[in-house]
Amino acid sequence: AQKVTQAQTEISVVEKEDVTLDCVYETRDTTYYLFWYKQPPSGELVFLIRRNSFDEQNEISGRYSWNFQKSTSSFNFTITASQVVDSAVYFCALSDLPGYALNFGKGTSLLVTP
Amino acid sequence: NAGVMQNPRHLVRRRGQEARLRCSPMKGHSHVYWYRQLPEEGLKFMVYLQKENIIDESGMPKERFSAEFPKEGPSILRIQQVVRGDSAAYFCASSPLESTDTQYFGPGTRLTVL
Repeated sequence: AQKVTQAQTEISVVEKEDVTLDCVYETRDTTYYLFWYKQPPSGELVFLIRRNSFDEQNEISGRYSWNFQKSTSSFNFTITASQVVDSAVYFCALSDLPGYALNFGKGTSLLVTP
Repeated sequence: NAGVMQNPRHLVRRRGQEARLRCSPMKGHSHVYWYRQLPEEGLKFMVYLQKENIIDESGMPKERFSAEFPKEGPSILRIQQVVRGDSAAYFCASSPLESTDTQYFGPGTRLTVL
C-alpha cells in the first residue's frame, strides 16, 4: 500500500528565511511518480513538480528546489528566501502508475510573515 | 489555453437534495479525475474517467455518488440525497492523452450541505 507522510502540519517563518517541507513516502513499487502541489488561500491547486522514481536528479526552479532521495524515501521541498506570497498549503503526492490516482499527504501549511 | 474549469464554485444544498458538479478539462485533455477534500483532511481520490469510460472508481462511495464523462460536454459528479458529511471541496483534474502522468487541477467546487 502507498502512503505519503508530511509530518509538519504547520510552519511559520519570517520573510527571507529558507524553509524545507518534508515528504516521506512508502510504496512497494519500483516505478512510481512523486508530485508537489501548492494550494494558496484562494483554494485552487497549483502543480509545482513531477519526479519519476528512476530520475534522482535534484531540481531547482528559481527559489524552489527539490531533493529526491530514494535511500530514505524522501522528496523534500525547499523554498529559498521565502516571500509572503509563498504562504499556502503544500501537498506532496505519490502515484504508482502514470495517469492514475494520486495519493496525497495531509499537507503542510506554510505561513510567511513580513 | 484555459485551465480546468469547474462550476459552480460554491454550491449549497439541503439534506436530501441532489448536487451536480461540472468539470471541463483543459483543451486537448481526455482524462478526468475527481478528488474530495474534507475539512482537516488531505485530498482523496474518487474516480478516474476517460471519454465515456470509468477507468478507476475505487475511491467512490458505494452509494449516492456517480460520475460520468460523456463524449460531448463536461464531466459530471453527481451526489444524490446529500448529507451533511458530503460537505467538502471537490476538485477535478485533467491530463492529456499523450502524457498521462501529470494532473492539472481546477479551482474546486465547495459544497455545503445544510
